[in-house]
Order: sequence, then structure tokens, then C-alpha cells
Amino acid sequence: RKEVEQDPGPFNVPEGATVAFNCTYSNSASQSFFWYRQDCRKEPKLLMSVYSSGNEDGRFTAQLNRASQYISLLIRDSKLSDSATYLCVVNGGFKTIFGAGTRLFVKA
Amino acid sequence: DAMVIQNPRYQVTQFGKPVTLSCSQTLNHNVMYWYQQKSSQAPKLLFHYYDKDFNNEADTPDNFQSRRPNTSFCFLDIRSPGLGDAAMYLCATSIYSAPEETQYFGPGTRLLVL
Repeated sequence: RKEVEQDPGPFNVPEGATVAFNCTYSNSASQSFFWYRQDCRKEPKLLMSVYSSGNEDGRFTAQLNRASQYISLLIRDSKLSDSATYLCVVNGGFKTIFGAGTRLFVKA
Repeated sequence: DAMVIQNPRYQVTQFGKPVTLSCSQTLNHNVMYWYQQKSSQAPKLLFHYYDKDFNNEADTPDNFQSRRPNTSFCFLDIRSPGLGDAAMYLCATSIYSAPEETQYFGPGTRLLVL
């Protein structure tokens, strides 16, 4: 089992759609969680941190369920510019583990 | 202004010919990381420096070495590149290595091995 697993994707959605990504992690001692966005042939960039209480940043909402070792990202009102790969990242002290990413294509 | 800079952006080398990739940062962060990312795969941590302390991942091949001569610069040396080492190499920094610290990535160096 991979340490961080994500939806295989790709997700193909029309503009304005709501899309949800899921991520599970195997190490119950993991301490912090992030979603990064990576455009094609570019570096990953932090989208948002994920907290147990859930957090929202505009059209993006992230949730963490420690009991189920599950993280989610919800994107509302999708824009063409949201097309990218979304990486789930789990950090347990000195060890940072990236998921393989889920590709999102938003079409007009 | 770029905060994490990687040079070169593209590097072509020959099979077995040593190559060095460089990373510099203007953030004055304590921690610098090197990741390897192959197509459609997750970035894989190779090693990191906390100040001058080097921390190697257990599964990083001996072929990969690193140097950090000062806070601002960190180098990735591939002693004898193989075809399987062709990848994007990403440098990242963070203030500390605490779990909640976010990492800031450079644009990456894409390595091609002929």
C-alpha cells in the first residue's frame, strides 16, 4: 500500500462544476497535511494547508479526518485556470510524502 | 522576484558523465530539500539539509550526493547518471523542518540522459 494515495483521475469537468478529490494516508502519526497544485512541467505550489477543523479559501475547501486518515479537497465553480494536477502532501516530522496527484481538466 | 532558483533549467548529459545541479534561495531558510519527480509520478524526496546537517532518505541511491556550502546554496551531484535518472529535479526550502512548515519549490531542472 502506498503511503499516500489519491484518486487516479483524470477528472474532466465543465466550467462551473464542483469537483472533489480524495486522499488517504497510511501513517497515523502524520502531523500536517497540504494540497499543492502543479501545472504541467512546472513546480508544485502550495494551494492550502489542511486542518482538522476544515478550512476554506475562496472556492476551495479542504477537510481532514484523522480517524479515517482521509483528506479531501473540494473545488466549487471550477474555472478553466483550475486545470492542473493536485498533489496531496502528508508530513510526519522529517518525512514529507507526496501523493501521485490527480489531474483535473476543466473545459469550456 | 524568484525566491528559489535552480540552474540550469534543462540539463543534458551523457550516460555515466557526472552532472551537478544547483539551487539557491533568497529566503534565508534553514532547510533545503532535493526531490526527484518522474513523469506522472509524485515528487520523491532524495535528501534534505537542516542547516549543515545532511539527512539522506534510506532508499536514495549512492549515485546521488549533495553539498550545501552555505545557507543560500545547495547542489545535487549525480556521479554516474543512468538512463533511469532522467527526471525533473526539484529543490525546495522551508524555514524549519517542523511538520507544519510549508515548502517553497524552485522551478526545477529537467535532466535528460543520453
